[in-house]
Amino acid sequence: DPKIIQKPKYLVAVTGSEKILICEQYLGHNAMYWYRQSAKKPLEFMFSYSYQKLMDNQTASSRFQPQSSKKNHLDLQITALKPDDSATYFCASSQRGWQDTQYFGPGTRLLVL
Amino acid sequence: AQSVTQPDARVTVSEGASLQLRCKYSYFGTPYLFWYVQYPRQGLQLLLKYYPGDPVVQGVNGFEAEFSKSNSSFHLRKASVHWSDWAVYFCAVDSNNRIFFGDGTQLVVKP
Repeated sequence: DPKIIQKPKYLVAVTGSEKILICEQYLGHNAMYWYRQSAKKPLEFMFSYSYQKLMDNQTASSRFQPQSSKKNHLDLQITALKPDDSATYFCASSQRGWQDTQYFGPGTRLLVL
Repeated sequence: AQSVTQPDARVTVSEGASLQLRCKYSYFGTPYLFWYVQYPRQGLQLLLKYYPGDPVVQGVNGFEAEFSKSNSSFHLRKASVHWSDWAVYFCAVDSNNRIFFGDGTQLVVKP
């Protein structure tokens, strides 16, 4: 059974719309992360949460907002979508923090037209 | 600034041959280093990690990596490559509670 679930697997959106990417982990971890991978750039760290609190934010745009409704959830809301937002978004989790092994979800592939 | 560089975008090896994927890091002090693998259309999986200690680190599936402070390197090795190793390999460094990834090296395995 998958331990980190990301929904949806694929997502197509129109420019200017808003989407929410879902991430749930069933590893009992306390830290969760979002990364982005696009054709132009390597894996980029976006956010880290620990015990449902934002620890680090490396995303320049406020259009990207993480949302943690439960300890094992960290969703990513993206507003005013742009074609440059097209990428695969990976969620990850670790037991406590950075120095613990991070486990990655399968990713959500977002295409903005 | 802390970073990792993977100088080879693509490496091709024959099945059964040995493998080395290169990684150079830039870091003040002793870093925490990782190698991850990404199979097609999947998320990343940790192969191995280096914490200060023994410079040779053993990972899964026969992979190992050697940390060298003098060369600022953390190269990944495998004695005999299998076709299932065809994937993208990422070197990464942990710095100030963030992980910085290299650009990745695509490993192609020839029959």
